[in-house]
Amino acid sequence: QVQLVESGGGLVKPGGSLRLSCAASGFTFSDYYISWSRQAPGKGLEWISYISGSGSTISYADSVRGRFTISRDNAKNSVFLQMNSLRADDTALYFCARDVVRATTTPSDFWGLGTRVTVSS
Amino acid sequence: AIQLTQSPSSLSASVGDRVTITCRASQGMSTTLAWYQQKPGKPPKLLIYDASSLQSGVPSRFSGRGAGTDFTLTISSLQPEDSATYYCQHFDSYPFFGQGTRLEIK
Repeated sequence: QVQLVESGGGLVKPGGSLRLSCAASGFTFSDYYISWSRQAPGKGLEWISYISGSGSTISYADSVRGRFTISRDNAKNSVFLQMNSLRADDTALYFCARDVVRATTTPSDFWGLGTRVTVSS
Repeated sequence: AIQLTQSPSSLSASVGDRVTITCRASQGMSTTLAWYQQKPGKPPKLLIYDASSLQSGVPSRFSGRGAGTDFTLTISSLQPEDSATYYCQHFDSYPFFGQGTRLEIK
């Protein structure tokens, strides 16, 4: 069955860095885009980045562009999110998800349970 | 960038009611919209894609309609397990979620 498992979250000081990982299984990993989204405590969902199956197409939300970098290792069925220059408003539960190409949308059909990132001094 | 506004922000309804949630885009975007359901402590679940296509395994009481700027998610006969927050998401220049609608069962 399709499974996505995030790891790497934790407590970090403002200005610090973290690297999140998303380990996938149960599907042909290189055939799928993978997205990262986040949810601040008590708030709504925010999409932050996606990467294509080959890694050649990448996009970021304005809120993280220039600070976060997404990458993938298809040999290890993993996607990574390098987060630099972290701020208090980056505090959130970070989800990775598998994206499926449809006629007019590329929604996320399977999600991990998330990894929590707290940015605080 | 296209902004999405969901209405209402929250609502309370009874089991068996017909419930409609609206997602309005700041500019037209064809049918590039999806809907998700999220329960507390859980990741989102995909309900509808391409504005009106039902995701596999989702009960048929859920339906989506719309194109351009106005989209709706309808639950035809509300069930207790439908208590959740619902989000729309567009795929214009990049994916973007609406602010969410919290649905409570009376």
